[in-house]
Amino acid sequence: KAGVTQTPRYLIKTRGQQVTLSCSPISGHRSVSWYQQTPGQGLQFLFEYFSETQRNKGNFPGRFSGRQFSNSRSEMNVSTLELGDSALYLCASSPGPGGPHNEQFFGPGTRLTVL
Amino acid sequence: DQQVKQNSPSLSVQEGRISILNCDYTNSMFDYFLWYKKYPAEGPTFLISISSIKDKNEDGRFTVFLNKSAKHLSLHIVPSQPGDSAVYFCAARKTSYDKVIFGPGTSLSVIP
Repeated sequence: KAGVTQTPRYLIKTRGQQVTLSCSPISGHRSVSWYQQTPGQGLQFLFEYFSETQRNKGNFPGRFSGRQFSNSRSEMNVSTLELGDSALYLCASSPGPGGPHNEQFFGPGTRLTVL
Repeated sequence: DQQVKQNSPSLSVQEGRISILNCDYTNSMFDYFLWYKKYPAEGPTFLISISSIKDKNEDGRFTVFLNKSAKHLSLHIVPSQPGDSAVYFCAARKTSYDKVIFGPGTSLSVIP
């Protein structure tokens, strides 16, 4: 079974631009979560989607948005990029919300650098 | 406000010895705790978990201990191997339907 894939793997943008990151979950998984990882901060939760609906949202400004398609693939968008948005963006998929053992399977991440 | 804390950014251990990674949390509503391991250029991978109704869970060389009264959990790796060198993230959630909150991570180096 193929793992979680994220594209692109690396991205360089300049301040003020916008960016779209893509995530394809494991086949059969319907829940996708997005995280931002920066040094010293660990993984900060951005949002979670299930069945094309946003279930949970973290404490990020409205410049960060996402969506999920009917095939469970998900995209996240960051508009008006700031230098502080430079980070590793991780996507994780799981079969669905809930359950006693809700392990998430992570993709390799997209490394975003904002200049 | 960081609800899951890992106060040691890094830890070095000799091969064959025990590695103990610590994690503290502030939210008494957390019901389920997880540990993830992350190698460079890869996403985190699930390692082991524990429910709040238990105080210990073991899986091979990995054991997680939970002390609810102290809001503290620890991951023990025995014996430590060089391949265990990675960043370890402690994580927690309130219910099985809630988002997972991660700590900042501890970088473990196992010295041959």
